[in-house]
Amino acid sequence: AQSVAQPEDQVNVAEGNPLTVKCTYSVSGNPYLFWYVQYPNRGLQFLLKYITGDNLVKGSYGFEAEFNKSQTSFHLKKPSALVSDSALYFCAVRDIKAAGNKLTFGGGTRVLVKP
Amino acid sequence: DGGITQSPKYLFRKEGQNVTLSCEQNLNHDAMYWYRQDPGQGLRLIYYSQIVNDFQKGDIAEGYSVSREKKESFPLTVTSAQKNPTAFYLCASSGSGTGVYEQYFGPGTRLTVT
Repeated sequence: AQSVAQPEDQVNVAEGNPLTVKCTYSVSGNPYLFWYVQYPNRGLQFLLKYITGDNLVKGSYGFEAEFNKSQTSFHLKKPSALVSDSALYFCAVRDIKAAGNKLTFGGGTRVLVKP
Repeated sequence: DGGITQSPKYLFRKEGQNVTLSCEQNLNHDAMYWYRQDPGQGLRLIYYSQIVNDFQKGDIAEGYSVSREKKESFPLTVTSAQKNPTAFYLCASSGSGTGVYEQYFGPGTRLTVT
């Protein structure tokens, strides 16, 4: 079984400050990990994914994420947050052993960036 | 949202009626998915299809049905057996095979049943 936890329902940050959104996962094998962003009443937009290799993954809109196998974490980061980054963020995992391309999503973290 | 369309954006139905949500993609993806989103619960997988004329139940398939007669289309029917159908429904598609593919999402349909 595969599962994802996003321990924070909401993250508040001032514009220009660093932003971190936390994600931990559980899989029986090795993970494929994804981050998505959702703006109000819209579908999800893909930000980045980790497959293998370098633990620091760079994605869209200046976001990056760090894979930490020992802590089973995949935290999303942005060095300097913008008001326009305010949205709902989802972490997702797929077990490398799982058939197909089924993803399991976390419950989401709402990010509020204040001017 | 480009490449995947869902219609309508808002849908209202009376309790006891079946309703079908449309999902079309022009990305030439083999795999398609239906998710349900409720506040505070993230996305839950209803059904998925990896190829035409084949589909599998996800985690919450009860009260839903799907068909995959064409590669481009994956309609979802919410039946009267679904006990709590009011939700935001998202369709997605992806490549399939041995690679690792991100899923592309449509804009969603918000269904309200009263």
